[in-house]
Amino acid sequence: DQQVKQNSPSLSVQEGRISILNCDYTNSMFDYFLWYKKYPAEGPTFLISISSIKDKNEDGRFTVFLNKSAKHLSLHIVPSQPGDSAVYFCAASRGGSNYKLTFGKGTLLTVNP
Amino acid sequence: EAGVVQSPRYKIIEKKQPVAFWCNPISGHNTLYWYRQNLGQGPELLIRYENEEAVDDSQLPKDRFSAERLKGVDSTLKIQPAELGDSAVYLCASSETGANTGELFFGEGSRLTVL
Repeated sequence: DQQVKQNSPSLSVQEGRISILNCDYTNSMFDYFLWYKKYPAEGPTFLISISSIKDKNEDGRFTVFLNKSAKHLSLHIVPSQPGDSAVYFCAASRGGSNYKLTFGKGTLLTVNP
Repeated sequence: EAGVVQSPRYKIIEKKQPVAFWCNPISGHNTLYWYRQNLGQGPELLIRYENEEAVDDSQLPKDRFSAERLKGVDSTLKIQPAELGDSAVYLCASSETGANTGELFFGEGSRLTVL
């Protein structure tokens, strides 16, 4: 049973446009959400996070939105750059045990010049 | 600052053979994790250490997997004997104790292929 779902295996956008990556979760106990980025042959790197007490968190070109009623979060990248091309993993944790992350399967983002 | 260092990067073995992976975390990070990432999947936690103590090994298949972190710094993950289904990338990560932010620092991973 996949508790964190990223239903789009891939996404392609043009440089300068907005990239929107989506993530759904089923476990209502999750209260902390993160996005990680992974380049080929490298480990995942932390990108941005959001607590369930918020509905938006912004860091430069990256914004994460959380809709708790829909159990849905999204990552917006504006403007998208070719260097953003990577696999993006959504992750969730619960109850202060923020080390025990449940990851989605990832979405491959390709930003075309 | 040096990141999380893992070795070997790649390992190919035949089934039933043993294999070991080594990890050196970021200096000062007392919390160390081993994750496994199967092809097309996200990483899954195998074990977490606080210093030398394994505080969560509920996901570790203990019949064939073992891990140690004897001096509370570097760690070794062992599989004996390996099975075909163990082919995956084994990721080590570390974090600051008590940070509780979910921000883990991952190494580049050790890719295991079992033939």
